[in-house]
Amino acid sequence: EADIYQTPRYLVIGTGKKITLECSQTMGHDKMYWYQQDPGMELHLIHYSYGVNSTEKGDLSSESTVSRIRTEHFPLTLESARPSHTSQYLCASSGFDYGYTFGSGTRLTVV
Amino acid sequence: AQSVTQPDIHITVSEGASLELRCNYSYGATPYLFWYVQSPGQGLQLLLKYFSGDTLVQGIKGFEAEFKRSQSSFNLRKPSVHWSDAAEYFCAVGSLYGGSQGNLIFGKGTKLSVKP
Repeated sequence: EADIYQTPRYLVIGTGKKITLECSQTMGHDKMYWYQQDPGMELHLIHYSYGVNSTEKGDLSSESTVSRIRTEHFPLTLESARPSHTSQYLCASSGFDYGYTFGSGTRLTVV
Repeated sequence: AQSVTQPDIHITVSEGASLELRCNYSYGATPYLFWYVQSPGQGLQLLLKYFSGDTLVQGIKGFEAEFKRSQSSFNLRKPSVHWSDAAEYFCAVGSLYGGSQGNLIFGKGTKLSVKP
């Protein structure tokens, strides 16, 4: 049973639209992460947070932004979606043992 | 610099055969090591982890991994592969006191295909 939830699972949206990908966890974890992953490819860290009001950019430059107003919630926003944003987005959280728990992902297609 | 290398991009094994997926790491601090599995279109699921102690760790789904500090390796093994094991496997390394702000560093993954 998943303790970290991502919605929507699939999203097809037109170019220029604003979108928010939701990620929530019920484990009380302080650390949360967003990864971008093309099918069958490696994970790229795009954002992370160490707690409320803490957000940092990851290794891969991204036009998305994130916020962390509540411990359990770490949404990712694209102000103006483009076809190059088409990818799978994975959210994860970690607690004191540093193991990550991943959500099921959001597969985004921008047309 | 910290890094994780999974030398094999794609491995194909016959059902019932044994499996070993390789993982080598470069990390300055005492590492924590993880193996994750990802089925198509899904998130990653933790198979097993090593923090300290016994260097042979058991995980879910019949997998095990052995930490060899002298070889900087953490290879994943399974004695008999099932068709449902076909997936992408990721090795990851982190440390309580290491670099990357304590974030895990993931390898690029190894895709496992299983022949009937």
